[in-house]
Amino acid sequence: AQTVTQSQPEMSVQEAETVTLSCTYDTSESDYYLFWYKQPPSRQMILVIRQEAYKQQNATENRFSVNFQKAAKSFSLKISDSQLGDAAMYFCAYRSGVGLSGNTPLVFGKGTRLSVIA
Amino acid sequence: DAGVTQSPTHLIKTRGQHVTLRCSPISGHKSVSWYQQVLGQGPQFIFQYYEKEERGRGNFPDRFSARQFPNYSSELNVNALLLGDSALYLCASSFPGSYEQYFGPGTRLTVT
Repeated sequence: AQTVTQSQPEMSVQEAETVTLSCTYDTSESDYYLFWYKQPPSRQMILVIRQEAYKQQNATENRFSVNFQKAAKSFSLKISDSQLGDAAMYFCAYRSGVGLSGNTPLVFGKGTRLSVIA
Repeated sequence: DAGVTQSPTHLIKTRGQHVTLRCSPISGHKSVSWYQQVLGQGPQFIFQYYEKEERGRGNFPDRFSARQFPNYSSELNVNALLLGDSALYLCASSFPGSYEQYFGPGTRLTVT
């Protein structure tokens, strides 16, 4: 079974600075997808960024970027120019690419709580 | 377009009771998944339905059941509630052929 590990229960960052959240995963599959989700106090799980395992190029979405190291099974999230609104729980998630598209569940890590200091 | 909707937002039940949670997916999405998120943990997969058929089930007891209707909305049912069932229940939908899941705001269930 696949597992996702987030080793940082809590992180903090000064406003406008950069922070990196760590995630490692364990799988024997070659076809899979990785995601970072943000969950603010409102509870809504929001997709931040995604990465296809077959792509070597790291995904980027505005201030959010990932460092995908497939051989090391590492998938870290970098938030640049941190804003107060970035404060939330961040979850790393894995999804198998095996089987019918859209029919495999997400496997989540335990999350990292990010605080942004003004 | 409206996002994934869930009802109710909150509810409180007593041990031994039954509960039904509801989810409406984004228009055009045919796959619905249910997750349980206990306080301080990441979501855990409960069920996945695609085209009204169960396509996956997580490690949850038979007290948990679900179904998907012709309009692709879904219900999660939990019988004989236990204190440990207290959690945030999240529903997520996805478009056919897409690997992205979009979540609803969740239902907070408290069992006393």
